[in-house]
Amino acid sequence: DAGVTQSPTHLIKTRGQQVTLRCSPKSGHDTVSWYQQALGQGPQFIFQYYEEEERQRGNFPDRFSGHQFPNYSSELNVNALLLGDSALYLCASSSGLAAGDTQYFGPGTRLTVL
Amino acid sequence: AQKVTQAQTEISVVEKEDVTLDCVYETRDTTYYLFWYKQPPSGELVFLIRRNSFDEQNEISGRYSWNFQKSTSSFNFTITASQVVDSAVYFCALSEVAGGTSYGKLTFGQGTILTVHP
Repeated sequence: DAGVTQSPTHLIKTRGQQVTLRCSPKSGHDTVSWYQQALGQGPQFIFQYYEEEERQRGNFPDRFSGHQFPNYSSELNVNALLLGDSALYLCASSSGLAAGDTQYFGPGTRLTVL
Repeated sequence: AQKVTQAQTEISVVEKEDVTLDCVYETRDTTYYLFWYKQPPSGELVFLIRRNSFDEQNEISGRYSWNFQKSTSSFNFTITASQVVDSAVYFCALSEVAGGTSYGKLTFGQGTILTVHP
């Protein structure tokens, strides 16, 4: 039973560039959430996708956008990268978007913006 | 607004010691869920436990136990007879059932770095 997978593992970009991160949910899961984790901090919720729609969004600017595909996989796009966007980006999947649905996390993508 | 506080930034113990990680939360909802996750150096968050706001029974799973007290808004995590493999960052998280809708946004604490020395 494959868990949540994310690609790439590491990424280095320069300021102003755009980046796309990818996530495949755990088998049987239909909901994907994205989190940003800065060094030494707890993860911060970016947004959540269910049925190919953004259902909930955290306090992140419009430079952060996403997409969910019919096979439930998801992408996170960040435009006009800033130094402060350097972080570990975590994808989590669950079987539903209810508050009590346990979210299972992938290994993350480490983004470095120079 | 929901908030989770893990006041202990770092804890260092020697193997076989018991250790308790504190978690205090704030929420206006009467229905909510609490979680603990472990983050080893590899970076992946590993789910440990989920508890809903109506179930105040303590839970034990092997060397792990959790104490949920609504009266003090706390959900503490104890590791008995710690081992070197327990070294990791531990996060407490809260998910609310807000305004009648049920969305699974997790609010995390800052995390507690646990180091277990041999």
